[in-house]
Amino acid sequence: EDQVTQSPEALRLQEGESSSLNCSYTVSGLRGLFWYRQDPGKGPEFLFTLYSAGEEKEKERLKATLTKKESFLHITAPKPEDSATYLCAASSGSARQLTFGSGTQLTVLP
Amino acid sequence: NAGVTQTPKFQVLKTGQSMTLQCAQDMNHEYMSWYRQDPGMGLRLIHYSVGAGITDQGEVPNGYNVSRSTTEDFPLRLLSAAPSQTSVYFCASSYREGQPQHFGDGTRLSIL
Repeated sequence: EDQVTQSPEALRLQEGESSSLNCSYTVSGLRGLFWYRQDPGKGPEFLFTLYSAGEEKEKERLKATLTKKESFLHITAPKPEDSATYLCAASSGSARQLTFGSGTQLTVLP
Repeated sequence: NAGVTQTPKFQVLKTGQSMTLQCAQDMNHEYMSWYRQDPGMGLRLIHYSVGAGITDQGEVPNGYNVSRSTTEDFPLRLLSAAPSQTSVYFCASSYREGQPQHFGDGTRLSIL
């Protein structure tokens, strides 16, 4: 059974204080690892897809990396507008189903 | 530029009632899916479709039916609502399976 675990559940940072969110996965034949951002009362918004170990992608203050067992979302010098819940999800096998982690709720204080 | 549209946004039902949650996308995506989101449990897949006329079960399909008669629409039916189905329901679509999914803003459903 595919499993995706995110840590920590919640993270509070001061503005400008860099940190990383973790996503550990156990899937049979990873087809893709996805990161999403979710704001309160909204649906998840796509951020990145990573396909193979060693791959990295960046967008503004966010950088996602992938190893054979986990993915990290690095947040550099965060701003209050980066506050959201960050979700990761893994696609395996036929790629017809995504398995989501339960998310990390990030709060960036001014 | 609508993307994925879900209706209604909020709904309250009584136990035993039935209803249909609507989902429509205007991006000509082949893959569509329904998730429920509960506190501390993340998003769980209910049903999905890889094209018109083709549907399949996800992780938590019991109590729900789907059909896909057109590429654009993918309604989710609750047959006989139960309090355990109180949740936030999200519809999503992608060009095909394995591609990044676009989500609607959800339907918040309460079963009394």
